Amino acid sequence: EDQVTQSPEALRLQEGESSSLNCSYTVSGLRGLFWYRQDPGKGPEFLFTLYSAGEEKEKERLKATLTKKESFLHITAPKPEDSATYLCAPKAAGNKLTFGGGTRVLVKP
Amino acid sequence: DAGVTQSPTHLIKTRGQQVTLRCSPKSGHDTVSWYQQALGQGPQFIFQYYEEEERQRGNFPDRFSGHQFPNYSSELNVNALLLGDSALYLCASSFAPTGTSSGNTIYFGEGSWLTVV
Repeated sequence: EDQVTQSPEALRLQEGESSSLNCSYTVSGLRGLFWYRQDPGKGPEFLFTLYSAGEEKEKERLKATLTKKESFLHITAPKPEDSATYLCAPKAAGNKLTFGGGTRVLVKP
Repeated sequence: DAGVTQSPTHLIKTRGQQVTLRCSPKSGHDTVSWYQQALGQGPQFIFQYYEEEERQRGNFPDRFSGHQFPNYSSELNVNALLLGDSALYLCASSFAPTGTSSGNTIYFGEGSWLTVV
């Protein structure tokens, strides 16, 4: 059975304090790994897709990396507007996403 | 370019009733998937529709059913509602995967909040 575990469950950061979020997965027939940001009461907002081990992608203060069994989302010098829940979701054949429980990030000014 | 649109945004139903949620995919997309997200959890895959047929299904009972129309829009129907069906229901759209194609971004709508009382 496909499994995805995200850690930590919650993260409190001071503005400017960099940190990393972890996503560990076991998925059959992996076709890529997605990262989404979700604000309270909203749908997930697409951030990145990674397709192969060693791949990295960046967007503003966020950088996502991928290994064969894990992905990391690095937040560099975060700002309060980076506060959100970050979801990772490996994609199996047929565009099915399996989500982790998410990491709730709170950045305090 | 309109993204994924869902309706209604919020609704309240009574146990035992039936509900229909609607989704229009992003322009140019032909595949629609539905997810259920309980409070404080990640979304869970319900099923996926392509070419008006259910292609994949997650671990959800037959009370959950769906439909896709020729214009690619989709409906999610839930019968005999239970209190535990209270959740955010998300629609995701994409292009149909072909072979081993992996270059396919999946976009989500804002969701429909269902409360069962």
